[in-house]
Amino acid sequence: EVQLVESGGGLVQPGGSLRLSCSASGFTFNNYWMSWVRQAPGRGLQWVASIQRDGSEKKFVDSVKGRFTISRDNAKNSLSLQMNSLRAEDTAVYYCARLIAVAHFDYWGQGTLVTVSS
Amino acid sequence: QSALTQPASVSGSPGQSITISCTGTSSDVGAYDYVSWYQQHPGKAPKLMIYDVSNRPSGVSNRFSGSKSGNTASLTISGLQTEDEADYYCTSFTGTTVVFGGGTKLTVL
Repeated sequence: EVQLVESGGGLVQPGGSLRLSCSASGFTFNNYWMSWVRQAPGRGLQWVASIQRDGSEKKFVDSVKGRFTISRDNAKNSLSLQMNSLRAEDTAVYYCARLIAVAHFDYWGQGTLVTVSS
Repeated sequence: QSALTQPASVSGSPGQSITISCTGTSSDVGAYDYVSWYQQHPGKAPKLMIYDVSNRPSGVSNRFSGSKSGNTASLTISGLQTEDEADYYCTSFTGTTVVFGGGTKLTVL
């Protein structure tokens, strides 16, 4: 059974940093692109970042470029999102998701809430 | 990248059929057969319902179907059931990344 479990969310002040993690199991992790998708409270879904199977290619939505970094450890079946210079508008539930054929997300984690507030 | 356009809400009665539209541009929806649809119940993670315009993942009811014409994709739910009440999101490949629609709240009256 495919499982994705996020962790690392919490309350952080504007300008602060936070690192999210996603632990994957039930599939061959290094065979798949992985992504982060977020959802602000009461709002819709927004793709944030994706990383290729071996980590050599990374993509980001414009609003987080230069502030967020995505990485993976295939030996540990783990995906990470390092978030720096956080803003109030980054407040959201962050989901880890498996990306298929660069176009759709077939499995999602339960999400972890990030709140940016003073 | 601008979000795809979906109606904010649709409604239907049990047993009826409804269709949710998802309008993009010739650079995303119109350019690729990579449209997918997700169902999200309150407080839950999204669930993939349709991928590559019209394909259903294993385990998804055949009451859900997808189609596309030009720059607009559609999700049709037939034989509405109370458990179909949820938010629905479309996505499209843009050539480099993925863009989501704004979401549609389906109410089953």
